[in-house]
Amino acid sequence: AQTVTQSQPEMSVQEAETVTLSCTYDTSESDYYLFWYKQPPSRQMILVIRQEAYKQQNATENRFSVNFQKAAKSFSLKISDSQLGDAAMYFCAYRSAGNSGYALNFGKGTSLLVTP
Amino acid sequence: DGGITQSPKYLFRKEGQNVTLSCEQNLNHDAMYWYRQDPGQGLRLIYYSQIVNDFQKGDIAEGYSVSREKKESFPLTVTSAQKNPTAFYLCASSIGAFGQGAGELFFGEGSRLTVL
Repeated sequence: AQTVTQSQPEMSVQEAETVTLSCTYDTSESDYYLFWYKQPPSRQMILVIRQEAYKQQNATENRFSVNFQKAAKSFSLKISDSQLGDAAMYFCAYRSAGNSGYALNFGKGTSLLVTP
Repeated sequence: DGGITQSPKYLFRKEGQNVTLSCEQNLNHDAMYWYRQDPGQGLRLIYYSQIVNDFQKGDIAEGYSVSREKKESFPLTVTSAQKNPTAFYLCASSIGAFGQGAGELFFGEGSRLTVL
């Protein structure tokens, strides 16, 4: 199974500042999908952003963007203009593009604290 | 509103008892999943189902069982064979099956199981 590694158990950022969460993954596949999910204190998982491996352009969703480095197998999440509501656990996830359904492999998560 | 409903939200069980967690979706999704979440462990896949009457084991299926008799429902039974069942359980669903597109996972609000 593909391994997803989030090396930062906890991160802290001041409101309005920018923070980058790291994610690396291990795979021998050439086609796959990568995701960042957010889990606030309510524990409801919410999709933040998605990247298809065949696309060279980095995905962007409002204040959230990724730096996808396919050769390095790296998929970091940048949060710009951080807000108090961004405080949550963030999970990086990998999904094969093959014929195996949509099960995601998740990293262990990064807890993001946003300070006023 | 369309979504995924998990019940109960909190459940207490005595050792040696089986317990069933309910998961219902009205999103007309083909695929459904069960994940287990433990502190510091991320989300680990227990079982998934791509179509009715078919399901596959995930990474930690031992001590769990599922059924998929209806498209909308994917209950999870935690059996007495599961040695450490206390955890947070998340059900999810996604559009399509058999590698179609890049299906986003939609999650329920989770069920917290505590073994006394």
